[in-house]
Amino acid sequence: EAQVTQNPRYLITVTGKKLTVTCSQNMNHEYMSWYRQDPGLGLRQIYYSMNVEVTDKGDVPEGYKVSRKEKRNFPLILESPSPNQTSLYFCASSRISFGTGAGELFFGEGSRLTVL
Amino acid sequence: AQSVSQHNHHVILSEAASLELGCNYSYGGTVNLFWYVQYPGQHLQLLLKYFSGDPLVKGIKGFEAEFIKSKFSFNLRKPSVQWSDTAEYFCAVNAGDMRFGAGTRLTVKP
Repeated sequence: EAQVTQNPRYLITVTGKKLTVTCSQNMNHEYMSWYRQDPGLGLRQIYYSMNVEVTDKGDVPEGYKVSRKEKRNFPLILESPSPNQTSLYFCASSRISFGTGAGELFFGEGSRLTVL
Repeated sequence: AQSVSQHNHHVILSEAASLELGCNYSYGGTVNLFWYVQYPGQHLQLLLKYFSGDPLVKGIKGFEAEFIKSKFSFNLRKPSVQWSDTAEYFCAVNAGDMRFGAGTRLTVKP
């Protein structure tokens, strides 16, 4: 079954304790992206990747890191989480079409993170 | 940088009413346009998309959207909403990278 898998789905942590949210897709998609969803602000892009070893900042990259060592995985790293990073996080992937960029996004189930 | 604007933050309708949700974007080049829906507690799912051709696109569950290039708009419509359409709706624009609007919450009263 084609899917995007995120882990953990729920996490409560404390300020400053490094954490990683994993994201894996089994559709051989080139494009992967991380978003955070906050009430009234919609989805804001954190980082995206057009292919292996290619990552770029989105709208709200501060406090986050990513890596794309393999095509299927795109982990989101919070080196020193702060309470303002409490949010719902979504990973997504898509094919890239020449000349048009990313196509339809397939989303993971979401990871709800609370930083105390 | 490209941006996406959804003008309605919260729309409340009665069942069988008609729906139109606005979406405008700011990008002058070729774009792909999408509407996604997020039902309560779930992740986003694709409703419909426009890449090229007929500017009136039909999606799932009776939704449609019209691309008006001169107005940089991609409004979502449904002639008669149902209670099960209660959800949050996101417009998205891709010009190499995907950006989302802030979303419109739709509440349909039975």
